[in-house]
Amino acid sequence: DARVTQTPRHKVTEMGQEVTMRCQPILGHNTVFWYRQTMMQGLELLAYFRNRAPLDDSGMPKDRFSAEMPDATLATLKIQPSEPRDSAVYFCASGSNPDRDNEQFFGPGTRLTVL
Amino acid sequence: EDQVTQSPEALRLQEGESSSLNCSYTVSGLRGLFWYRQDPGKGPEFLFTLYSAGEEKEKERLKATLTKKESFLHITAPKPEDSATYLCAVRQTGNQFYFGTGTSLTVIP
Repeated sequence: DARVTQTPRHKVTEMGQEVTMRCQPILGHNTVFWYRQTMMQGLELLAYFRNRAPLDDSGMPKDRFSAEMPDATLATLKIQPSEPRDSAVYFCASGSNPDRDNEQFFGPGTRLTVL
Repeated sequence: EDQVTQSPEALRLQEGESSSLNCSYTVSGLRGLFWYRQDPGKGPEFLFTLYSAGEEKEKERLKATLTKKESFLHITAPKPEDSATYLCAVRQTGNQFYFGTGTSLTVIP
């Protein structure tokens, strides 16, 4: 059963701490997306990779957020330093067809709480 | 500013009572409009993609349609298991994706 996996599922941290979220895309998928979801803003695209190269990260606050794909089986999203306003659910999604990037398969999300 | 607006925010239906959800968009250079379903505590699940005005897609009790400025998700004879939040999203020319805030659907037995 192919699924996107994310770790951790829940994270509570204090303001100023570094947070790293990990995502394992579906094997064979070459596009990876990071989203943030809040009640107020809904889903926001943070970054988008294809074949491990960043295609778009315009939705990501550059001063504190960074996204990487060290290899084809791992994507990371890092926040340093974290702030209370970063509290949200962070989703990773993957896809396999560049012409149909909208057919994204989402992971279960990481619920981040920054105190 | 480009945006996606969904209405209503919440909808309660009796089982078997058909209805429609609306998604209007103002993005330029549309490369696709898509619908997702999201259950509580889970990630969105892909339902449909529509690429051009007049296009329709169907899946079980759901049918999605697209015009130049909006899309409708029609739900025919819904069942309680159709209860979820339905999200609409658009892809703009380039790599930007914009999501609406969703319609929370509750189907009462």
